[in-house]
Amino acid sequence: GQNIDQPTEMTATEGAIVQINCTYQTSGFNGLFWYQQHAGEAPTFLSYNVLDGLEEKGRFSSFLSRSKGYSYLLLKELQMKDSASYLCAVRGHNAGNMLTFGGGTRLMVKP
Amino acid sequence: EPEVTQTPSHQVTQMGQEVILRCVPISNHLYFYWYRQILGQKVEFLVSFYNNEISEKSEIFDDQFSVERPDGSNFTLKIRSTKLEDSAMYFCATLKTRLYNEQFFGPGTRLTVL
Repeated sequence: GQNIDQPTEMTATEGAIVQINCTYQTSGFNGLFWYQQHAGEAPTFLSYNVLDGLEEKGRFSSFLSRSKGYSYLLLKELQMKDSASYLCAVRGHNAGNMLTFGGGTRLMVKP
Repeated sequence: EPEVTQTPSHQVTQMGQEVILRCVPISNHLYFYWYRQILGQKVEFLVSFYNNEISEKSEIFDDQFSVERPDGSNFTLKIRSTKLEDSAMYFCATLKTRLYNEQFFGPGTRLTVL
């Protein structure tokens, strides 16, 4: 099975940098995903890591360490619109390519 | 930009009634999914569908649930006899092929069972 842990809530200040951590234990691993979800809306894709290291995409970066079962999402130059839930999800080696999600981290950005 | 659409946006039903939730996947995508999210909880996988058959399903997806692609465009989730605990947001998602990574989510259908 899959077990994915991430903090429930975080608060940060506009313009700052925040790091959201995710740890996972899985029976098979074929990629780690970060999604953003605003309240009442659908998740939207942010990033994908399958190899160790850092993937950068604009203000957002995601890091993966497969040996440690650990990932983080780094958000730079925080904006008020970044207030949302950030979902860590793992894909296993299965026919359906399904995602298993963590509980999400609700980020509140304050002025 | 192509997007996944879902109807209705909100469905209210009585316990024991059947509901059908509809999704129109992105046209050249081959893998389809249903996920659900109970209010305040995590997104949970229900079922994946490829080549007109179920490729994977979770423990939640019991005999009360079924999926279908009746006309080559719509992808539907049917709940035969709804229970109170089926109240949730139901998201349809699609994936182009296994070579791609991004699953595109629809806006969701909020199902309320009274």
